[in-house]
Amino acid sequence: GAGVSQSPRYKVAKRGQDVALRCDPISGHVSLFWYQQALGQGPEFLTYFQNEAQLDKSGLPSDRFFAERPEGSVSTLKIQRTQQEDSAVYLCASSAGPLSYNEQFFGPGTRLTVL
Amino acid sequence: QQQVKQSPQSLIVQKGGISIINCAYENTAFDYFPWYQQFPGKGPALLIAIRPDVSEKKEGRFTISFNKSAKQFSLHIMDSQPGDSATYFCAAPPAASKLTFGTGTRLQVTL
Repeated sequence: GAGVSQSPRYKVAKRGQDVALRCDPISGHVSLFWYQQALGQGPEFLTYFQNEAQLDKSGLPSDRFFAERPEGSVSTLKIQRTQQEDSAVYLCASSAGPLSYNEQFFGPGTRLTVL
Repeated sequence: QQQVKQSPQSLIVQKGGISIINCAYENTAFDYFPWYQQFPGKGPALLIAIRPDVSEKKEGRFTISFNKSAKQFSLHIMDSQPGDSATYFCAAPPAASKLTFGTGTRLQVTL
């Protein structure tokens, strides 16, 4: 596919469970971003990778959130011991370059519901 | 702290009318101002963007107007169509590694 793909599209977790969300960026894109979008709100930045290096994780809300991109392609966002406040849509985006005006292409998101 | 403030929160426009959405920002270091369009169940998609060295950019029915001195930028949708019904977000980059988004405007274009 030509676009950013994310899986699963929907995830229901019981409070306290660990979850892993996957992002497949556009092939060749060096930059990868994770955002969290609460219902009725704009996306909020979580973390940024340039190739395999995690250069900015300032938006991760707690140490329960962890992201990796070990080979500079696919990325996984892991949330440990999920809480109800973690319920949101998690968006992944990729871009061809590291500059602010390089267009970010978004995936469809993973909707996480924590019961 | 909200770095971009967007208004209105929702907007209803008749088909053929003009939709106007506004954003204000604080950080004069911002160097790129994109607008994203998001349909239900989809991720945001870039609609149009402007750099601060120009005051206006037009692409088809979509225009960004940029006022550097007022630290404001706006999206104008001319001849609004029902297919334009979506949520629109302004954004700006506090750093090259991220975008900060407005809270969104839900646009409904009625027949």
